[in-house]
Amino acid sequence: DAKTTQPPSMDCAEGRAANLPCNHSTISGNEYVYWYRQIHSQGPQYIIHGLKNNETNEMASLIITEDRKSSTLILPHATLRDTAVYYCIVRVAPNTGNQFYFGTGTSLTVIP
Amino acid sequence: KAGVTQTPRYLIKTRGQQVTLSCSPISGHRSVSWYQQTPGQGLQFLFEYFSETQRNKGNFPGRFSGRQFSNSRSEMNVSTLELGDSALYLCASSFRLEETQYFGPGTRLLVL
Repeated sequence: DAKTTQPPSMDCAEGRAANLPCNHSTISGNEYVYWYRQIHSQGPQYIIHGLKNNETNEMASLIITEDRKSSTLILPHATLRDTAVYYCIVRVAPNTGNQFYFGTGTSLTVIP
Repeated sequence: KAGVTQTPRYLIKTRGQQVTLSCSPISGHRSVSWYQQTPGQGLQFLFEYFSETQRNKGNFPGRFSGRQFSNSRSEMNVSTLELGDSALYLCASSFRLEETQYFGPGTRLLVL
């Protein structure tokens, strides 16, 4: 059970912001939201994670709603190299181990 | 710092054989997890090791096994290979349990 719901695919114009939504309505208070992406069957690449507050790093921003039931990954200026499958993951609570349940992800296509 | 390395990168086996895949984590990382990725089932958790102990196991048959050595390197073994075991096998490491996982490039296994 992946515990997250994402749209199967999205398009974004090159240079524009890509906003990828994720629903995690059953998230527990101590569970983190993680985002990874996978480019053409390479190993997934870590992007960002957060618990309650919004987070930003050199790759992206993560916006988590106040009730924590959904989040949005923002790629501020999408490039063609950002075309990938993006996975939103809720990390299972610490006492049960470090499992990551990957759903089907969102296939983002950046269009020139 | 070098990333997670996996060997071999590609492998072809026949049904009934066994295979051993190797993973070297990022230097200093002590937790190693393994995942199987297939087109039909997506990314699925196999097992996780920390300090040479299996901490968690996914829903896979006993033909799938693993171990971790004192230097944190890990191996996974699949015995009596079946056609359905054809997949991309991914290894991920983290400094400790419950921390961000970083993935290797994967080993692509083809069972004929």
